[in-house]
Amino acid sequence: KAGVTQTPRYLIKTRGQQVTLSCSPISGHRSVSWYQQTPGQGLQFLFEYFSETQRNKGNFPGRFSGRQFSNSRSEMNVSTLELGDSALYLCASSLAAGGISPLHFGNGTRLTVT
Amino acid sequence: DQQVKQNSPSLSVQEGRISILNCDYTNSMFDYFLWYKKYPAEGPTFLISISSIKDKNEDGRFTVFLNKSAKHLSLHIVPSQPGDSAVYFCAAIPNGSGNTGKLIFGQGTTLQVKP
Repeated sequence: KAGVTQTPRYLIKTRGQQVTLSCSPISGHRSVSWYQQTPGQGLQFLFEYFSETQRNKGNFPGRFSGRQFSNSRSEMNVSTLELGDSALYLCASSLAAGGISPLHFGNGTRLTVT
Repeated sequence: DQQVKQNSPSLSVQEGRISILNCDYTNSMFDYFLWYKKYPAEGPTFLISISSIKDKNEDGRFTVFLNKSAKHLSLHIVPSQPGDSAVYFCAAIPNGSGNTGKLIFGQGTTLQVKP
């Protein structure tokens, strides 16, 4: 069974631009979560989607948004990029909504903002 | 406010010996605790979890202990193998229906197992 796939793996953007990251969950998984990893803040929760509905959102500004499609694939968007948005963005999927069903992470998208 | 803390950034042990990774938390309202392992250039991989109603869970070489009164959990790896060298993250799930997929992670501990 294929794992969680994130595209692209690497991305370089300029301040003020916007970016869209994509995530394909494991087949059969309906829950998708997004996390941001930075050296200073560690892994921080962005949001979780289940059956196309956002179930939970972390403490990030409104520039960070996401959505989930009917096939469970998910995208996250960051608008008006800032230097501090440079990070590894990780997507994770699970069978059901809820952390009790362990999250399976993709290898992430490394975003660099210059 | 760091609710989940891993105070040791790194740990080095000899192959075959026990590795003990520690994690402290400040919030009593956590339902589940999990440990993830992360290799460079890969996403975290789930290792083992424990419910807040238990004090021990074992899976092969990995055992997690939970001490609720001390708000402390630990991961024991016995025996340690060089392939266990990775960054280990402790994570917690706040209780409440609104926190279903929200994991709060510690900062991670880098484990090095020397042959």
